[in-house]
Amino acid sequence: EIVLTQSPGTLSLSPGERATLSCRASQSVSSSYLAWYQQKPGQAPRLLIYGASSRATGIPDRFSGSGSGTDFTLTISRLEPEDFAVYYCQQYGSSPRGTFGQGTKVEIK
Amino acid sequence: EVQLLESGGGLVQPGGSLRLSCAASGFTFSSYAMSWVRQAPGKGLEWVSAISGSGGSTYYADSVKGRFTISRDNSKNTLYLQMNSLRAEDTAVYYCAKYPLVFGVVIMYYFDYWGQGTLVTVSS
Repeated sequence: EIVLTQSPGTLSLSPGERATLSCRASQSVSSSYLAWYQQKPGQAPRLLIYGASSRATGIPDRFSGSGSGTDFTLTISRLEPEDFAVYYCQQYGSSPRGTFGQGTKVEIK
Repeated sequence: EVQLLESGGGLVQPGGSLRLSCAASGFTFSSYAMSWVRQAPGKGLEWVSAISGSGGSTYYADSVKGRFTISRDNSKNTLYLQMNSLRAEDTAVYYCAKYPLVFGVVIMYYFDYWGQGTLVTVSS
């Protein structure tokens, strides 16, 4: 099973700043099958990025994903007030048994 | 518009049973594999179970294998999760989630839509 480790655990930033979130896999993620989700308190997760770098429908272009192999990054170019939330990465492959990272909380500084 | 609406959560004693339902609308339900994902209070996301569009293939996390059963009724556009022998560690919000298709046929195992979740509490 591939283990995903997200860092940092918490990121304290101000609106307008750039956020860089890391997701590291214990072994190579095939075909860059990595997704990112945003979750706000009391809400379901929302898909942001799939295939490591493809934005989901309706996701603003301030969200971008990059990386391959074992190291992946979610970047929020300029934080808006609605972007303060918890972010999860997920690796997926040829079976449903994908795994999630433990999450990174982006909080207002 | 894709909508997934879970129901059936509640308080149950250890060793008890519960059946969750997820009513789907806004897409051709029978064409898409579906899944249950859970989130314990204050914790991260854990994949629980998945089922193919036809219902012919099912998958389970080791933590629930032998205790939970996923099924679907494509005539009712509804996904189910039968949970037996419940334990305190099964306490979580359970989300119904949909897998997308690429080129109309290839299942991609990330989640493009999620329901709002239903809370299951296992406690005496």
